[in-house]
Amino acid sequence: DAEITQSPRHKITETGRQVTLACHQTWNHNNMFWYRQDLGHGLRLIHYSYGVQDTNKGEVSDGYSVSRSNTEDLPLTLESAASSQTSVYFCASSPSGRPTDTQYFGPGTRLTVL
Amino acid sequence: QKEVEQDPGPLSVPEGAIVSLNCTYSNSAFQYFMWYRQYSRKGPELLMYTYSSGNKEDGRFTAQVDKSSKYISLFIRDSQPSDSATYLCAMTNNAGNMLTFGGGTRLMVKP
Repeated sequence: DAEITQSPRHKITETGRQVTLACHQTWNHNNMFWYRQDLGHGLRLIHYSYGVQDTNKGEVSDGYSVSRSNTEDLPLTLESAASSQTSVYFCASSPSGRPTDTQYFGPGTRLTVL
Repeated sequence: QKEVEQDPGPLSVPEGAIVSLNCTYSNSAFQYFMWYRQYSRKGPELLMYTYSSGNKEDGRFTAQVDKSSKYISLFIRDSQPSDSATYLCAMTNNAGNMLTFGGGTRLMVKP
C-alpha cells in the first residue's frame, strides 16, 4: 500500500546543532508540505514543493530549509536548532495543487531542542 | 488576530450527544473548507470538505458553511467514544491547496 513515512519519530537534540527530518511518500504525488504543530497554533506551513527542484517558503520558514531532488522525498533541515523549534513536525503530500486535492499526512516527528 | 479561529476546548460530551464544532475566519477569499480529524499522536486525516456556502452530509457528520458570516461548523450526530480526537478546520482559496488551519478543538466523548 502507498504511504507517507517520517523519520525519526522522536528526536532530542541540542541548541545549535543541524537536524534533518526525513519524509518519504510512495504515492508519486507532486506536492509535498512540511508543517509544525504547536499548542494553540494548530498546523503552520513551513515549506512546500510542487515538484522536483521546486521549493517555496511558507508562513514560518525562518531557520528551516528543504530540497526536492526526487518525487518521493522532501527532507526538512534545521540549520541551527533553537529551543523555539521544539515542536511536532508533520509532512504531507497531495497529487497536485487543486483545492479539492486531499493532503495526506505522515505520523509526525516529535522534536525536542534542549 | 489569526486568520482562522477555533475554540481549543476540550469539549466533553456523553456518548450519543450531538456535537457542534465551529470555526470563524477573516479572509473572504477562502472558498474551500475542510475538516480534519487527528487522533492522539497521529497525523491529521481528512473527514470532509465543502465548497463555498451550504451543507454537506456524510454519515453521522454534517459540515456547514456560512460565507456571509465567515463561520463554518461540523456537526457529529450520535457521537461515539471513537470520535474522541482533535478536530481541525482548514480552508483555502481557488488558487491551490495551501491550507490555513485553525488551532483545533479537542473532543472527548465519554461512554
